[in-house]
Order: sequence, then C-alpha cells, then structure tokens
Amino acid sequence: GAVVSQHPSRVICKSGTSVKIECRSLDFQATTMFWYRQFPKQSLMLMATSNEGSKATYEQGVEKDKFLINHASLTLSTLTVTSAHPEDSSFYICSATRGTPNTGELFFGEGSRLTVL
Amino acid sequence: GDSVTQMEGPVTLSEEAFLTINCTYTATGYPSLFWYVQYPGEGLQLLLKATKADDKGSNKGFEATYRKETTSFHLEKGSVQVSDSAVYFCALRVGAQKLVFGQGTRLTINP
Repeated sequence: GAVVSQHPSRVICKSGTSVKIECRSLDFQATTMFWYRQFPKQSLMLMATSNEGSKATYEQGVEKDKFLINHASLTLSTLTVTSAHPEDSSFYICSATRGTPNTGELFFGEGSRLTVL
Repeated sequence: GDSVTQMEGPVTLSEEAFLTINCTYTATGYPSLFWYVQYPGEGLQLLLKATKADDKGSNKGFEATYRKETTSFHLEKGSVQVSDSAVYFCALRVGAQKLVFGQGTRLTINP
C-alpha cells in the first residue's frame, strides 16, 4: 500500500523553541494532508487540513499561529509548533489522501512524539 | 455532534482466544464505519470498513458488522495471534465530513 512517513519520530525540545515535523508521501502525490493530535488514552483529534499550494484549514480551537502548516509540494507537508510549551507535548500524526479529500482512502504516518521540557 | 466510543483497554488475551472490541457511535447522518489498526512503530492502517447498515467488513480474519439498530460496529476475530497485538481504532465518517475516531484500544496477545 501507499506509504506516508513522518520525521522525526521523537523530538525533545526546550520550552520557547520551535519544532518542525515533516510528513512525506513516499510513493504517491497527496492532494490533501491532514494533521492530528493524540493525547494519552484519547482519540485522534483533527487539527487541520492542508491542500498543496493553499492555506491550511484549521479546526475550531486550534491556534493557527501556534501550529503553522505548510504544504509546499504534493509530497510534503510540515507542521511547525512555534514557541513550544509543555502543554504542547503530544503525539502528532499526519495522513494523506490521493483521492478526493473526504472520500479517498487515508494513509497515515507513524507519528511524531513531541516532548517539551 | 458525531462521536465514537470504544471499549476501554488495554485488552490482554492468550493466543487462539476469541476477540471482541466493542464500538458504538452517534451520528447525525448515515455514517461509513471503519476499523484502523496501528502496529508498534507504524502508522494507522485501514483494517476494514462498512458503508451501510448490515454490511460486514472483513480482513485478515477480523470482522465487523454495521448494526444500525444498536449503532454498533464491534470488531471480532475467532482466533487471535501474537501478531495481532496492536492498537485498534474505530472511526466514522458522514458523507464528506472528516473522520471521527474513538480513543483506541490496545490489544496484547500472549503466546
């Protein structure tokens, strides 16, 4: 099946710094990518939807200036957590679809665990 | 709003045991229902799906039947293997809306 890869898989940073997480579709062109956040023992919460070459659409309650999403090409989307704080520590997961955004099959990355000290 | 409630884990079974992971949902429309699986160190993968009432999704020995009357989509397998150890997520989607996930159930199978 299609492969989506995230990097880094784990990152530890100091409070106040910014962290970038990459999401790549390795063997297909992803028209749409999604970013999720998962808290321990909780479900995946959709943060934003990004389409190549346009601004991301954020879910209600997600701070656009805190979580910067860039989808510069059909194979790469990045999530930057700006001025990270301990409450931003979480598991971030991306997914990509090569079909229509809400009906095509989703392929998920392996996730990136962010720990902010 | 739309939501999915899963059986709370973790679930630990012996090899060859029968597995059921419960999943119930609430939805304003007519959802499609999914089970995703996440093996250690890997991304979520679609395990099976059902798009309308009474449909049965099946894959790798797992089955789930879309029960509209009980708003359920329970995952079952007759004889689990150690390799089935993973986290399982139930999810729904209504029309062109986003996927809504349950909280996940961690399954461990002991030899």
